[in-house]
Amino acid sequence: EVQLVESGGGLVQPGGSLRLSCAASGFTFSGYWMSWVRQAPGKGLEWVANINQDGGEKYYVDSVKGRFTISRDNAKNSLYLQMSSLRAEDTAVYYCARVEVSSSWLGHDYWGQGTLVTVSS
Amino acid sequence: DIQMTQSPSSLSASVGDRVTITCRASQSISIYLNWYQQKPGKAPKLLIYAASSLQGGVPSRFSGSGSGTDFTLTVSSLQPEDFATYYCHQTYSRPWTFGQGTKVEIK
Repeated sequence: EVQLVESGGGLVQPGGSLRLSCAASGFTFSGYWMSWVRQAPGKGLEWVANINQDGGEKYYVDSVKGRFTISRDNAKNSLYLQMSSLRAEDTAVYYCARVEVSSSWLGHDYWGQGTLVTVSS
Repeated sequence: DIQMTQSPSSLSASVGDRVTITCRASQSISIYLNWYQQKPGKAPKLLIYAASSLQGGVPSRFSGSGSGTDFTLTVSSLQPEDFATYYCHQTYSRPWTFGQGTKVEIK
């Protein structure tokens, strides 16, 4: 059974930093692209970043470029999101999601339960 | 960036109703369009991928269609467990973007 379990969320002051983790199990983690997707309270979904299988390709939404870094450790079956210079508008539930890549489609097929990040003084 | 516009933003329907949600992309995205269902406090769940393919385990009352810029999600006979928010999501080009969501409520 595919499982993605996020951790590391919490309350942080504006300008602060936080590192989110996502522990993966039930599939060959090193064989998949992975993403972070966030959802501000009461709002819709926003794709944040994704990373390829060996960590050599990374993509970000413009609003987090230069502040967030996605990374992975395939030996530990773990995905990370290092967040710095945090702003109030980064307040959201952050989901880790597996990316299915095939000849016919591309998208997020499994999601974690999310971890809440609150940026407030 | 590709903008995804869903309509309606919300709707009220009864159990047994046929419900259709539309999603329009600001430029052609071929069939790189997925649909998700989200219930309060839960993670999104994949329903439809590649515009019209049903994800395993998803009831056959859900269906998707479209290509290019116009897509639809149809629920043929709404069930109590289908009251939720639905999102379309394009993965044709980065940044990957979502529609704003359609909340399906009980009439």
